[in-house]
Amino acid sequence: AQTVTQSQPEMSVQEAETVTLSCTYDTSESDYYLFWYKQPPSRQMILVIRQEAYKQQNATENRFSVNFQKAAKSFSLKISDSQLGDAAMYFCAYRNGMDSNYQLIWGAGTKLIIKP
Amino acid sequence: KAGVTQTPRYLIKTRGQQVTLSCSPISGHRSVSWYQQTPGQGLQFLFEYFSETQRNKGNFPGRFSGRQFSNSRSEMNVSTLELGDSALYLCASSLHQRGGYNIGDEQFFGPGTRLTVL
Repeated sequence: AQTVTQSQPEMSVQEAETVTLSCTYDTSESDYYLFWYKQPPSRQMILVIRQEAYKQQNATENRFSVNFQKAAKSFSLKISDSQLGDAAMYFCAYRNGMDSNYQLIWGAGTKLIIKP
Repeated sequence: KAGVTQTPRYLIKTRGQQVTLSCSPISGHRSVSWYQQTPGQGLQFLFEYFSETQRNKGNFPGRFSGRQFSNSRSEMNVSTLELGDSALYLCASSLHQRGGYNIGDEQFFGPGTRLTVL
């Protein structure tokens, strides 16, 4: 069975600085997708960034980028120039590559605090 | 385009009762997934529906059931409620385009239904 582990229950960063959230996963599949979702307090879950396992290039979305290490099964999220609006729970999630299986397997989440 | 909507947003029930939650996906989306979110267990997959058929099911007891209608709207039902069923229930929809991963495979989440069982 696949598992996703986020070892940092809480992280804090000064506004405008850079922070990295860690995620490791375990799978025997070769085709899969990885995601980082953000859940602000009392607000909806939104997708931050995604990575296809077959792509070697790390995904980037504006201030958000990932460090995908397939052999190490590591998928960390880097947030540059942190902003107050980045404060939220961040979840790492895994989905296998089967076209007929949309089940997301989630990590426990990391609470990100932004200090002004 | 309207996002995923879930009704009701808040619900209070007592043990032993049953409850039905509703999810309206984004127009045109065909896949609807349900997740349970609790402080203790985190986010757990309940089931996924596609074209009115349950395609995948998580590890939940049979008290949890769901269905999807021809317009892709979905409902989930929990019978004989237990205190441990108190949770935020999230619904997510996806366009589900075939032929590899693309923007259509992103899951868009609704605001959730907060269920409290007393």
